[in-house]
Amino acid sequence: GAGVSQSPRYKVAKRGQDVALRCDPISGHVSLFWYQQALGQGPEFLTYFQNEAQLDKSGLPSDRFFAERPEGSVSTLKIQRTQQEDSAVYLCASSRQGQSKAFFGQGTRLTVV
Amino acid sequence: GQQLNQSPQSMFIQEGEDVSMNCTSSSIFNTWLWYKQDPGEGPVLLIALYKAGELTSNGRLTAQFGITRKDSFLNISASIPSDVGIYFCAAPETSGSRLTFGEGTQLTVNP
Repeated sequence: GAGVSQSPRYKVAKRGQDVALRCDPISGHVSLFWYQQALGQGPEFLTYFQNEAQLDKSGLPSDRFFAERPEGSVSTLKIQRTQQEDSAVYLCASSRQGQSKAFFGQGTRLTVV
Repeated sequence: GQQLNQSPQSMFIQEGEDVSMNCTSSSIFNTWLWYKQDPGEGPVLLIALYKAGELTSNGRLTAQFGITRKDSFLNISASIPSDVGIYFCAAPETSGSRLTFGEGTQLTVNP
């Protein structure tokens, strides 16, 4: 596609529910990043893939967060047993290998009630 | 971890005015990026800077990579209402790696 596509745009989850957020990067972009953005803050790094390899997951806040990119294209961020503090916008970005210019999707706004 | 300090936090200006904002760090970076984020949208890349002292323009936007490599500046000339949004600076730890973002500058333009 022309840009990074994320779905769903909005997700409301009951506390304790599992959620899955999808990211479809720009075609040909090897690198894929997930960021979390709290209200009024800048995006904070969660995890990074190069093709299907998850090279950095140091930003994942707990073991309830899990990300995968099995075929080196689409990626899924899964949050198990959601809690209220997980409420945020989750942004996906992709870039060409070795390039710092990252292009972001529109994000998924997660609200845990 | 590394931090980027953006200022000002917010700006309220009249349409037609010029705007300046900056981003500083205690660490040296080899790349500086400037993004704009509209409500409910993801950040959109405005300008990328790769060399110390570099001055790059994109329409009414001009950004500079500081000589010390520890800061960057973004200027918007002749502001218009659609310039409203949050402007973020960002920098990678290494080329192609994760980005560290500043806290953002909220710009409001009064018609």
